[in-house]
Amino acid sequence: NAGVTQTPKFQVLKTGQSMTLQCAQDMNHNSMYWYRQDPGMGLRLIYYSASEGTTDKGEVPNGYNVSRLNKREFSLRLESAAPSQTSVYFCASSDSPNTGELFFGEGSRLTVL
Amino acid sequence: RKEVEQDPGPFNVPEGATVAFNCTYSNSASQSFFWYRQDCRKEPKLLMSVYSSGNEDGRFTAQLNRASQYISLLIRDSKLSDSATYLCVVKSGGFKTIFGAGTRLFVKA
Repeated sequence: NAGVTQTPKFQVLKTGQSMTLQCAQDMNHNSMYWYRQDPGMGLRLIYYSASEGTTDKGEVPNGYNVSRLNKREFSLRLESAAPSQTSVYFCASSDSPNTGELFFGEGSRLTVL
Repeated sequence: RKEVEQDPGPFNVPEGATVAFNCTYSNSASQSFFWYRQDCRKEPKLLMSVYSSGNEDGRFTAQLNRASQYISLLIRDSKLSDSATYLCVVKSGGFKTIFGAGTRLFVKA
């Protein structure tokens, strides 16, 4: 039972490079999310997708774009990476926004030099 | 002021001790409350929901005080395996879920 799978787990980029973080869930959840986690701060929501075909900005969307490819997959793209985007990125899914439980992937550690 | 605040710790306790964490939240309209656990370099996982009447799950007890806008987590008979970061999570409806920065717990033999 894979749950939420993220790739890659580690990535080093140079400033200005682009990359896409992939996320897939096999729990048939409607909602998917991208968070970033930085030292001393709580997880912050970048973008979310309430259901297939919809995406919305979260708390810190600048510098990111997302695509809800289908019900299973939700990708996060950095078009021009900046050092401030060095972080650990977590993808999560939930059955509905009204339930509390978010199921997280293992995280993707991104360093931008 | 952060919407959800936690003492970052670390809390260093011996095995068998009882330890309590508090978390305060600023939005009085917050509707749902949770504790998540995050092991070092791992993803967060739901530990327990927090209900108005308080709830218990084995050695863990969570309580909510709406009047003072805080939630608490009590861990009794601490185990080495309880060493982790505990995240306070507050939902204000819809997709607005706010995570605290976490409280680190180290349980030592």
